Amino acid sequence: DAKTTQPPSMDCAEGRAANLPCNHSTISGNEYVYWYRQIHSQGPQYIIHGLKNNETNEMASLIITEDRKSSTLILPHATLRDTAVYYCIVRVYTNAGKSTFGDGTTLTVKP
Amino acid sequence: EAGVVQSPRYKIIEKKQPVAFWCNPISGHNTLYWYRQNLGQGPELLIRYENEEAVDDSQLPKDRFSAERLKGVDSTLKIQPAELGDSAVYLCASSLVTGADEQYFGPGTRLTVT
Repeated sequence: DAKTTQPPSMDCAEGRAANLPCNHSTISGNEYVYWYRQIHSQGPQYIIHGLKNNETNEMASLIITEDRKSSTLILPHATLRDTAVYYCIVRVYTNAGKSTFGDGTTLTVKP
Repeated sequence: EAGVVQSPRYKIIEKKQPVAFWCNPISGHNTLYWYRQNLGQGPELLIRYENEEAVDDSQLPKDRFSAERLKGVDSTLKIQPAELGDSAVYLCASSLVTGADEQYFGPGTRLTVT
């Protein structure tokens, strides 16, 4: 599975959009981009995933560049409860157990 | 729908003692995972089960770690004997099938070895 690079930390003002970048320049054609988050003292929580098209669900939007070498997770209106570590993972769809979480980005939403 | 249940939530033991963690996955989920998460790092896969079969245990330190999933439902992860370096959070996750979009994680067991 391809490796990912994320900034170690980011801040965001409450109510503003949080844009979390992820670099995955060695991604293969059959690898998906997944995002999870982990709130303090809880297990990781699935957010969204995509292959090459932009995706949106009730939690977030995922923007994948045309060359698929990077992506951005967008939380449109960040709240204090969105403070968490966000993990970007790249993996083949059938290879769930090979997910490499990395160290993620610690997002702090400030009032 | 009940989530993934793990117990205990916290465990403190002395080194060289044995310890066991229990996981009950979401009903109907065939795939079960055990992860270890060290402080400040992301989770690392230890073992993955499809039903009762361990299909990926390449990262499990087999000299001291063992796991089982009887009847393809509940699972137990054991460490014997524990070492100081085993202090971590042990996470259990389940998914409907391997490759499913979402893995559902339990709250984890925080192990401290003194």
